[in-house]
Amino acid sequence: GQNIDQPTEMTATEGAIVQINCTYQTSGFNGLFWYQQHAGEAPTFLSYNVLDGLEEKGRFSSFLSRSKGYSYLLLKELQMKDSASYLCAVMDSNYQLIWGAGTKLIIKP
Amino acid sequence: GAVVSQHPSRVICKSGTSVKIECRSLDFQATTMFWYRQFPKKSLMLMATSNEGSKATYEQGVEKDKFLINHASLTLSTLTVTSAHPEDSSFYICSARTGETEQYFGPGTRLTVT
Repeated sequence: GQNIDQPTEMTATEGAIVQINCTYQTSGFNGLFWYQQHAGEAPTFLSYNVLDGLEEKGRFSSFLSRSKGYSYLLLKELQMKDSASYLCAVMDSNYQLIWGAGTKLIIKP
Repeated sequence: GAVVSQHPSRVICKSGTSVKIECRSLDFQATTMFWYRQFPKKSLMLMATSNEGSKATYEQGVEKDKFLINHASLTLSTLTVTSAHPEDSSFYICSARTGETEQYFGPGTRLTVT
């Protein structure tokens, strides 16, 4: 079966760095997405990785290792507004997204 | 950037009635639209995939007679929840895809059935 695993909840301090991990097992692979979702809102796109390596975009970076079925989202200089759920999703061979359950990130002052 | 809108954003209806949710791609043509349902503290659940001009493909366990999907044009898809019950109360999110990977989400519709 297809499976996406990510931690349920993480806590970090304002100004610090946090890494959210995601492991996956899917039928085929056409890229991995990270989305941010604030409570009561639809997910917003953060990053897309299809090749191995690190993609940096401002305070957010995303890493992918296809051989290990592993990705992480790195958030630097955390701000209170970064408190949200972070969803990992993999696009399978049929170009459909398989979603993880999301990681709730709590930022403390 | 690509924008997807949903209407209404929130709706309250009585048990037994039907409610229609619209999903529009505002500045691009969507070859495929997806409808998701989000349960509290759980990941998004794909309900169905619809391609313009053809019948929607429903995921296992989703009742196609209850959740009617119409993809009338390349910019509009509708989800109608028929004979709604309180357990249908949820957050419904649509997304629209252009090309093979670009997928944009609507803001979601919160449905409450009383």
